[in-house]
Amino acid sequence: KQEVTQIPAALSVPEGENLVLNCSFTDSAIYNLQWFRQDPGKGLTSLLLIQSSQREQTSGRLNASLDKSSGRSTLYIAASQPGDSATYLCAVWGAQKLVFGQGTRLTINP
Amino acid sequence: GAGVSQSPRYKVAKRGQDVALRCDPISGHVSLFWYQQALGQGPEFLTYFQNEAQLDKSGLPSDRFFAERPEGSVSTLKIQRTQQEDSAVYLCASRPDRFRGSEQFFGPGTRLTVL
Repeated sequence: KQEVTQIPAALSVPEGENLVLNCSFTDSAIYNLQWFRQDPGKGLTSLLLIQSSQREQTSGRLNASLDKSSGRSTLYIAASQPGDSATYLCAVWGAQKLVFGQGTRLTINP
Repeated sequence: GAGVSQSPRYKVAKRGQDVALRCDPISGHVSLFWYQQALGQGPEFLTYFQNEAQLDKSGLPSDRFFAERPEGSVSTLKIQRTQQEDSAVYLCASRPDRFRGSEQFFGPGTRLTVL
């Protein structure tokens, strides 16, 4: 059974810092990995999708990497801003369904 | 263009009541998914449709939960005899095709509170 773990559960940093969110998964047989953002009381906004054959994806200040063999992904956020404050969820698409981690709650302090 | 929409956005039910949650996927999307998100947790898979066929319902927590997509577009998640543990946000997602590598698009969710 696929299990996804995100570390840390919560992170608070001052504005302007670069930061890394971590995601690990137990079964390397995945089709893709997706990073989402969730604001309080809102649905999920897709940030980046990495196919299993890819190593990384970039969008603006965000960069996500995927190491399938070690079961790890990282989301790198450059020059963080208060508007980046949200919960970040990692999810992997395996044999049957999308399996999510519990998320990292990120707070960027002005 | 319109994204995935869900209604109602908020639902309060008394324990024992039946509820119906609606999902309107992006037009033309073949695949549709339902997830349950408890407070402070990541979403958990409930069920999956490809057009009108329900291909996977392994995540439905009990036989009180029922989902349908009779015409391959709008879907309804029904919960009978609601219990307090059913309180959660119910998320719907759609995907343009049946290929596992393609992106899912999520709706805003329905927050269900069972008193």
